[in-house]
Amino acid sequence: SQTIHQWPATLVQPVGSPLSLECTVEGTSNPNLYWYRQAAGRGLQLLFYSVGIGQISSEVPQNLSASRPQDRQFILSSKKLLLSDSGFYLCAWNQEGANGYEQYFGPGTRLTVT
Amino acid sequence: SQQGEEDPQALSIQEGENATMNCSYKTSINNLQWYRQNSGRGLVHLILIRSNEREKHSGRLRVTLDTSKKSSSLLITASRAADTASYFCATEGINTGKLIFGQGTTLQVKP
Repeated sequence: SQTIHQWPATLVQPVGSPLSLECTVEGTSNPNLYWYRQAAGRGLQLLFYSVGIGQISSEVPQNLSASRPQDRQFILSSKKLLLSDSGFYLCAWNQEGANGYEQYFGPGTRLTVT
Repeated sequence: SQQGEEDPQALSIQEGENATMNCSYKTSINNLQWYRQNSGRGLVHLILIRSNEREKHSGRLRVTLDTSKKSSSLLITASRAADTASYFCATEGINTGKLIFGQGTTLQVKP
């Protein structure tokens, strides 16, 4: 069965520091991968998605970047964090099924920028 | 722009009652999906309804889709305290594979 891992679970970083969040998927190959951010009490904002190694699409101009160095690894990074980068970051994967694309989410990373 | 908009934003009911949440969207879709999120956790897929379907059931969940009105509803029957969570609708655009999520409905079921 497929599983998706994210780490760390929580992170407190000062403004101006770098960021690296990692997501890995097991049990499937060539998944579509996604990074979302969720502000407190709000819906999900799609940040990046990737349909293959080295292929990254950015949905919203951000202080963030994403990379996919391996088929099942997706990394979210920042060179210098801003206070506004605080939030709950969720990684997800999907593949086309009989009815369309159902998405499977990781447990999330709670980022607090101080 | 946000595709899915849910209402109400918050809903509080007693255990045993039914809970109904609504979702509206703007563009043509391949399917519409509902997800559940417990506080501080990732989202869990509940049910998917295709654009050519009008109603779908899964256990205590009933989803309807009206493509002419670009709206969907999620009904949870005989609610339980464990149903307390946030519920999100998400639409998959035609041939995109990307999901656009709404802002969610926070449901509280009181024991």
